[in-house]
Amino acid sequence: GDSVTQMEGPVTLSEEAFLTINCTYTATGYPSLFWYVQYPGEGLQLLLKATKADDKGSNKGFEATYRKETTSFHLEKGSVQVSDSAVYFCALSDLWGAQKLVFGQGTRLTINP
Amino acid sequence: SAVISQKPSRDICQRGTSLTIQCQVDSQVTMMFWYRQQPGQSLTLIATANQGSEATYESGFVIDKFPISRPNLTFSTLTVSNMSPEDSSIYLCSVEEGTGSSYNEQFFGPGTRLTVL
Repeated sequence: GDSVTQMEGPVTLSEEAFLTINCTYTATGYPSLFWYVQYPGEGLQLLLKATKADDKGSNKGFEATYRKETTSFHLEKGSVQVSDSAVYFCALSDLWGAQKLVFGQGTRLTINP
Repeated sequence: SAVISQKPSRDICQRGTSLTIQCQVDSQVTMMFWYRQQPGQSLTLIATANQGSEATYESGFVIDKFPISRPNLTFSTLTVSNMSPEDSSIYLCSVEEGTGSSYNEQFFGPGTRLTVL
């Protein structure tokens, strides 16, 4: 079945550091890919998405490019802030739209001032 | 985007009892989903609930343990039956909604944090 694998956490960085959170996937079809973020004490929010190969999703300074050849969707940000501290989930949907999301295990990110 | 509320926000329950979680959406939606997030784990889809039809359960989840109701296009309930400590999780409701493009998004409620003693 479909699956998503994220890099092991937790990740701790200093403010203004470069961030990469790796995400790879296995899917039978042509999935849509997502990054969700869960800030402390808050619900899950969509951060960015890409619906086809070579698409780049971006939001709030975060970017991720849908790489079909490497089945990856790594999350990057050039300069992180303390407010980026959260848990990040990579996810896929193997159906058109956002139905039946399959999530990775989540990566807890802590940014120190 | 859809605004989703859940009740209760948290509860502590005794083993062997049942809890019903409510999910209310501020707009009419066709598809609603229920997820479980066990402590330190990722989210796992329990079932898909469409109005007017039986819920569709994912592998490992059964209707007797997690009965779902979907009486209209803005409301759903999930019951966690005959609870055990292993059911301690955050339970999240989500909906799929069009965003004006050809692509729909899934929006999540704040979750219900359940602790079973």
